[in-house]
Amino acid sequence: QVQLQESGPGLVKPSGTLSLTCAVSGGSISVNNWWSWIRQPPGQGLEWIGEIFHTARTNYNPSLRSRVTISLDKSNNQFSLRLNSVTAADTAVYYCARNRPNSGTMFDIWGQGTMVTVSS
Amino acid sequence: DIQMTQSPSSLSASVGDRVIITCQASQDISKSLNWYQQKPGKAPKLLIYDASNLETGVPSRFSGSGSGTDFTFTISSLYPEDIGTYYCQHYDSLPRVTFGPGTKVDIK
Repeated sequence: QVQLQESGPGLVKPSGTLSLTCAVSGGSISVNNWWSWIRQPPGQGLEWIGEIFHTARTNYNPSLRSRVTISLDKSNNQFSLRLNSVTAADTAVYYCARNRPNSGTMFDIWGQGTMVTVSS
Repeated sequence: DIQMTQSPSSLSASVGDRVIITCQASQDISKSLNWYQQKPGKAPKLLIYDASNLETGVPSRFSGSGSGTDFTFTISSLYPEDIGTYYCQHYDSLPRVTFGPGTKVDIK
Protein backbone atom coordinates (compact mmCIF):
# COMPACT_ATOMS: atom_id res chain seq x y z
CA GLN A 1 0.00 0.00 0.00
CA VAL A 2 1.52 3.30 -1.11
CA GLN A 3 1.97 5.87 1.64
CA LEU A 4 3.12 9.48 1.45
CA GLN A 5 4.89 11.55 4.10
CA GLU A 6 5.66 15.26 3.86
CA SER A 7 8.65 16.81 5.62
CA GLY A 8 10.32 20.19 5.81
CA PRO A 9 10.65 23.37 7.87
CA GLY A 10 7.51 24.54 9.61
CA LEU A 11 8.58 28.18 9.58
CA VAL A 12 9.83 30.22 6.63
CA LYS A 13 10.73 33.90 6.59
CA PRO A 14 8.95 36.30 4.23
CA SER A 15 10.67 36.58 0.84
CA GLY A 16 12.38 33.25 1.52
CA THR A 17 11.94 29.87 -0.12
CA LEU A 18 9.62 27.15 1.09
CA SER A 19 11.07 23.67 0.54
CA LEU A 20 9.20 20.44 1.23
CA THR A 21 9.78 16.79 0.43
CA CYS A 22 7.28 13.97 0.00
CA ALA A 23 8.64 10.50 0.70
CA VAL A 24 6.86 7.67 -1.10
CA SER A 25 6.80 4.25 0.60
CA GLY A 26 5.16 0.97 -0.32
CA GLY A 27 5.67 1.58 -4.01
CA SER A 28 7.95 3.15 -6.58
CA ILE A 29 7.79 6.78 -7.61
CA SER A 30 8.89 5.67 -11.06
CA VAL A 31 5.58 4.07 -11.96
CA ASN A 32 3.40 5.52 -14.68
CA ASN A 33 1.53 8.23 -12.77
CA TRP A 34 1.58 11.82 -11.61
CA TRP A 35 2.38 13.12 -8.14
CA SER A 36 0.89 16.39 -6.85
CA TRP A 37 1.24 19.11 -4.23
CA ILE A 38 -1.92 20.71 -2.82
CA ARG A 39 -2.22 23.32 -0.09
CA GLN A 40 -4.86 24.60 2.31
CA PRO A 41 -4.58 27.93 4.15
CA PRO A 42 -5.93 27.87 7.71
CA GLY A 43 -9.72 27.70 7.69
CA GLN A 44 -9.87 27.84 3.90
CA GLY A 45 -10.29 25.53 0.92
CA LEU A 46 -7.91 23.46 -1.17
CA GLU A 47 -5.59 24.76 -3.89
CA TRP A 48 -3.72 22.55 -6.35
CA ILE A 49 -0.11 23.70 -6.74
CA GLY A 50 1.21 21.39 -9.42
CA GLU A 51 2.25 17.89 -10.40
CA ILE A 52 5.18 15.86 -11.68
CA PHE A 53 5.33 12.71 -13.79
CA HIS A 54 7.88 9.96 -13.36
CA THR A 55 9.66 11.34 -16.44
CA ALA A 56 10.06 14.65 -14.55
CA ARG A 57 7.54 16.44 -16.76
CA THR A 58 5.68 19.05 -14.70
CA ASN A 59 2.44 21.03 -14.75
CA TYR A 60 1.76 23.99 -12.48
CA ASN A 61 -1.19 26.07 -11.35
CA PRO A 62 -0.95 29.21 -13.50
CA SER A 63 -1.44 31.40 -10.43
CA LEU A 64 1.76 30.00 -8.85
CA ARG A 65 3.79 29.00 -11.90
CA SER A 66 6.30 31.85 -11.65
CA ARG A 67 7.32 30.83 -8.11
CA VAL A 68 7.02 27.03 -8.06
CA THR A 69 9.36 24.18 -8.87
CA ILE A 70 8.48 20.52 -8.38
CA SER A 71 11.25 17.99 -8.80
CA LEU A 72 11.83 14.26 -8.58
CA ASP A 73 14.45 12.28 -6.65
CA LYS A 74 14.13 8.73 -7.91
CA SER A 75 17.12 7.44 -5.95
CA ASN A 76 15.35 8.33 -2.69
CA ASN A 77 11.83 7.62 -3.99
CA GLN A 78 10.62 11.13 -3.23
CA PHE A 79 9.52 14.35 -4.85
CA SER A 80 9.90 17.92 -3.71
CA LEU A 81 8.30 21.35 -3.77
CA ARG A 82 10.06 24.69 -3.83
CA LEU A 83 8.08 27.92 -3.58
CA ASN A 84 10.03 31.17 -3.90
CA SER A 85 9.39 34.68 -2.62
CA VAL A 86 6.90 33.55 0.00
CA THR A 87 4.54 35.87 1.86
CA ALA A 88 2.06 35.37 4.67
CA ALA A 89 -0.48 34.32 2.04
CA ASP A 90 1.57 31.15 1.51
CA THR A 91 0.93 30.04 5.09
CA ALA A 92 -0.92 26.75 4.75
CA VAL A 93 -1.02 23.04 5.31
CA TYR A 94 0.83 21.49 2.39
CA TYR A 95 -0.21 18.05 1.19
CA CYS A 96 1.43 15.72 -1.27
CA ALA A 97 -0.88 13.36 -3.11
CA ARG A 98 -0.89 10.65 -5.74
CA ASN A 99 -2.90 11.17 -8.90
CA ARG A 100 -4.70 7.92 -9.58
CA PRO A 101 -2.91 6.14 -12.42
CA ASN A 102 -4.51 5.88 -15.84
CA SER A 103 -7.44 8.13 -14.99
CA GLY A 104 -8.51 11.72 -14.90
CA THR A 105 -6.92 13.88 -12.25
CA MET A 106 -8.16 12.54 -8.95
CA PHE A 107 -6.15 12.25 -5.77
CA ASP A 108 -6.56 8.81 -4.24
CA ILE A 109 -3.66 8.78 -1.76
CA TRP A 110 -2.67 11.75 0.40
CA GLY A 111 0.05 12.50 2.90
CA GLN A 112 -0.99 13.66 6.36
CA GLY A 113 -0.03 17.24 5.54
CA THR A 114 2.54 19.59 7.02
CA MET A 115 1.87 23.09 8.32
CA VAL A 116 4.12 25.83 7.00
CA THR A 117 3.97 29.30 8.52
CA VAL A 118 5.50 32.30 6.79
CA SER A 119 6.58 34.77 9.44
CA SER A 120 9.60 36.74 10.53
CA ASP B 1 -11.11 29.86 -16.12
CA ILE B 2 -13.75 27.46 -14.89
CA GLN B 3 -15.27 28.45 -11.56
CA MET B 4 -16.77 25.92 -9.17
CA THR B 5 -19.45 26.87 -6.67
CA GLN B 6 -20.95 24.73 -3.94
CA SER B 7 -24.13 25.08 -1.94
CA PRO B 8 -24.87 25.29 0.81
CA SER B 9 -21.63 26.51 2.38
CA SER B 10 -22.66 24.75 5.57
CA LEU B 11 -25.51 22.65 6.86
CA SER B 12 -26.66 21.06 10.06
CA ALA B 13 -28.65 17.84 9.88
CA SER B 14 -29.86 15.11 12.19
CA VAL B 15 -28.53 11.57 12.24
CA GLY B 16 -30.46 9.60 9.62
CA ASP B 17 -31.28 12.62 7.50
CA ARG B 18 -30.69 12.73 3.77
CA VAL B 19 -28.05 15.33 2.94
CA ILE B 20 -27.68 16.89 -0.51
CA ILE B 21 -24.82 19.11 -1.63
CA THR B 22 -24.66 20.71 -5.04
CA CYS B 23 -21.68 21.77 -7.11
CA GLN B 24 -22.01 23.98 -10.16
CA ALA B 25 -19.42 24.64 -12.85
CA SER B 26 -19.27 27.89 -14.81
CA GLN B 27 -19.13 25.91 -18.05
CA ASP B 28 -19.72 22.39 -19.30
CA ILE B 29 -17.23 19.98 -17.70
CA SER B 30 -18.92 16.74 -18.79
CA LYS B 31 -18.34 14.31 -15.90
CA SER B 32 -14.88 15.51 -14.85
CA LEU B 33 -15.91 16.00 -11.25
CA ASN B 34 -14.77 14.31 -8.04
CA TRP B 35 -15.94 14.57 -4.42
CA TYR B 36 -13.82 14.47 -1.28
CA GLN B 37 -14.54 14.33 2.44
CA GLN B 38 -12.21 16.12 4.84
CA LYS B 39 -12.49 15.50 8.55
CA PRO B 40 -11.03 18.09 10.95
CA GLY B 41 -7.23 17.93 11.05
CA LYS B 42 -7.06 15.23 8.38
CA ALA B 43 -6.24 15.01 4.70
CA PRO B 44 -9.13 14.86 2.24
CA LYS B 45 -10.42 11.45 1.20
CA LEU B 46 -11.69 10.62 -2.27
CA LEU B 47 -15.32 9.43 -2.16
CA ILE B 48 -16.75 9.80 -5.66
CA TYR B 49 -14.90 10.07 -8.96
CA ASP B 50 -16.04 11.01 -12.45
CA ALA B 51 -19.28 12.40 -11.02
CA SER B 52 -20.95 9.15 -10.02
CA ASN B 53 -18.46 6.37 -9.35
CA LEU B 54 -18.10 5.24 -5.75
CA GLU B 55 -14.49 4.85 -4.63
CA THR B 56 -13.58 1.36 -3.41
CA GLY B 57 -14.29 0.92 0.27
CA VAL B 58 -16.55 3.96 0.57
CA PRO B 59 -19.98 3.23 2.13
CA SER B 60 -22.87 3.03 -0.29
CA ARG B 61 -24.79 5.78 1.52
CA PHE B 62 -22.58 8.19 -0.42
CA SER B 63 -23.48 8.86 -4.04
CA GLY B 64 -22.96 11.37 -6.79
CA SER B 65 -24.78 12.36 -9.95
CA GLY B 66 -24.82 14.96 -12.66
CA SER B 67 -22.99 16.04 -15.78
CA GLY B 68 -22.34 19.23 -17.68
CA THR B 69 -22.59 22.08 -15.19
CA ASP B 70 -24.72 20.72 -12.36
CA PHE B 71 -23.70 18.00 -9.93
CA THR B 72 -25.17 16.56 -6.76
CA PHE B 73 -23.57 14.71 -3.86
CA THR B 74 -25.89 12.80 -1.54
CA ILE B 75 -25.57 11.13 1.83
CA SER B 76 -28.67 8.95 1.97
CA SER B 77 -28.66 8.64 5.75
CA LEU B 78 -26.33 10.81 7.81
CA TYR B 79 -24.06 9.06 10.33
CA PRO B 80 -22.22 10.88 13.14
CA GLU B 81 -18.88 10.00 11.52
CA ASP B 82 -19.88 11.86 8.35
CA ILE B 83 -19.23 15.27 9.90
CA GLY B 84 -16.61 17.23 8.03
CA THR B 85 -16.21 19.36 4.96
CA TYR B 86 -17.02 18.11 1.49
CA TYR B 87 -15.30 19.43 -1.62
CA CYS B 88 -16.01 18.99 -5.28
CA GLN B 89 -13.02 19.03 -7.63
CA HIS B 90 -12.89 19.54 -11.37
CA TYR B 91 -10.07 18.56 -13.68
CA ASP B 92 -9.35 18.96 -17.36
CA SER B 93 -6.63 18.08 -19.80
CA LEU B 94 -4.71 21.39 -19.76
CA PRO B 95 -4.33 20.49 -16.90
CA ARG B 96 -6.43 22.59 -14.62
CA VAL B 97 -7.47 21.37 -11.22
CA THR B 98 -10.05 23.41 -9.35
CA PHE B 99 -11.64 22.66 -6.00
CA GLY B 100 -15.00 24.00 -4.93
CA PRO B 101 -15.14 26.15 -1.78
CA GLY B 102 -16.46 23.32 0.37
CA THR B 103 -19.60 22.47 2.34
CA LYS B 104 -19.29 21.97 6.07
CA VAL B 105 -21.60 19.30 7.46
CA ASP B 106 -22.33 18.91 11.14
CA ILE B 107 -24.87 17.16 13.32
CA LYS B 108 -27.89 19.03 14.61
